[in-house]
Amino acid sequence: AQTVTQSQPEMSVQEAETVTLSCTYDTSENNYYLFWYKQPPSRQMILVIRQEAYKQQNATENRFSVNFQKAAKSFSLKISDSQLGDTAMYFCAFMKHEIGTDKLIFGTGTRLQVFP
Amino acid sequence: GAVVSQHPSWVICKSGTSVKIECRSLDFQATTMFWYRQFPKQSLMLMATSNEGSKATYEQGVEKDKFLINHASLTLSTLTVTSAHPEDSSFYICSARDLNEQYFGPGTRLTVT
Repeated sequence: AQTVTQSQPEMSVQEAETVTLSCTYDTSENNYYLFWYKQPPSRQMILVIRQEAYKQQNATENRFSVNFQKAAKSFSLKISDSQLGDTAMYFCAFMKHEIGTDKLIFGTGTRLQVFP
Repeated sequence: GAVVSQHPSWVICKSGTSVKIECRSLDFQATTMFWYRQFPKQSLMLMATSNEGSKATYEQGVEKDKFLINHASLTLSTLTVTSAHPEDSSFYICSARDLNEQYFGPGTRLTVT
């Protein structure tokens, strides 16, 4: 069974600084997807970034980038130039690349606080 | 991007009654939808996978007779909490699958008194 671990329950960062959120996972699959979701106080889940395991290049979306280390089963999220609106819960998630088994497996989350 | 709605956003019901929550994909067809439950300050817990035209697949430990799921069309899935009790109070979130991504609804806060 797949598991996702987020070892940082809470993180804080000053506005405009950079912060990295950690995520590790365990799987015997070779083809899968990894995601970072953001859940602000409104509780709407928002997709931040996704990574296909077969791609070696790290995904980037504006200020958000990942460091995907497949052999180490690590998938960290870097937020550059942090903004107050980045304050939220961040969930790392895993999904097998197989039709019919597309369940998302979530980590326990990291609460990020961006302060002025 | 794809939009998923939920209705109602907030509902209060009395113990013993049933409540229905709707999940709609507004601009795409979703053969698969998912229902999650989230307790305060915790992660999302998958309750069941809803497939259009067939029975839902429930996760271990989720009572299928208590949480009835119907996926009658490609854009609508419903979750009915039957004979609700205070311990069913929670935040319920649905998602709909489009290609290789899931898009989430805004959630429904259920309070059972």
